[in-house]
Amino acid sequence: GQQVMQIPQYQHVQEGEDFTTYCNSSTTLSNIQWYKQRPGGHPVFLIQLVKSGEVKKQKRLTFQFGEAKKNSSLHITATQTTDVGTYFCASVGSNYQLIWGAGTKLIIKP
Amino acid sequence: DAGVTQSPTHLIKTRGQHVTLRCSPISGHKSVSWYQQVLGQGPQFIFQYYEKEERGRGNFPDRFSARQFPNYSSELNVNALLLGDSALYLCASSRTSGVGYNEQFFGPGTRLTVL
Repeated sequence: GQQVMQIPQYQHVQEGEDFTTYCNSSTTLSNIQWYKQRPGGHPVFLIQLVKSGEVKKQKRLTFQFGEAKKNSSLHITATQTTDVGTYFCASVGSNYQLIWGAGTKLIIKP
Repeated sequence: DAGVTQSPTHLIKTRGQHVTLRCSPISGHKSVSWYQQVLGQGPQFIFQYYEKEERGRGNFPDRFSARQFPNYSSELNVNALLLGDSALYLCASSRTSGVGYNEQFFGPGTRLTVL
C-alpha cells in the first residue's frame, strides 16, 4: 500500500537555527497535508498542498510540494521555542484515508 | 465555538475487556474520523463516518467497530482488548466527507492503557 516516508526522525537545533523535514513517496501523491503536534497534545492542521511545484508560506514556515508530486518539505526559519513539537505530513491514500508519515520531532537545544 | 471533545480522557482496562470511546464533533461538522496513535508514531486511520455511514476503514481487526449518531457524535468500540491496543485514540471532525482533502480538527484524545 501507499507509504509516506518522513525524515529525519529527530532534529536538534539551537534556537534561531533553521529546521527542515522531508516527506517522500514512491508513488504520485494527490495532495499533502502538514500537521503539528505539541508534546502531550493533538495534531493541529497547518496547510494542504495539491498542485505540482506548489509553495506556500506562513510567516516563518515554508511548505513545498515537488514537481513530480512525490515529495514535500516543511522549512522553518529561525526557530523559536514555540516551534517545539512533532511535524507530520499526511496524504490521501486508497479508500480516502489519510496516510501519515512517522513525524519529525523538533527539539530546541538548551 | 467548542472544539472536538472526547471522553474519557484516560482509561485503564485489562486484557479481554471491551471499551467505548466517545467523540463530539465541532458544530456543523458531519464527518468524524478515528485514529490510533502509538507513542512515537504517526496516527493510524481506523474509521471515517459521514452522515452516519461508514466511508472508510483502515487495516484494523474486526474487534474495532464504530458508529455515528444522528447528532453526528460518534463512538469507537474495541472488544477483547490486547496489550497492543494501548495508545492515544484521536477523533477528528471535518465539514465534508473528503477526509483526505479537508482540514481536520482533532480532539484531545483518549489515552487507553491495557494491562
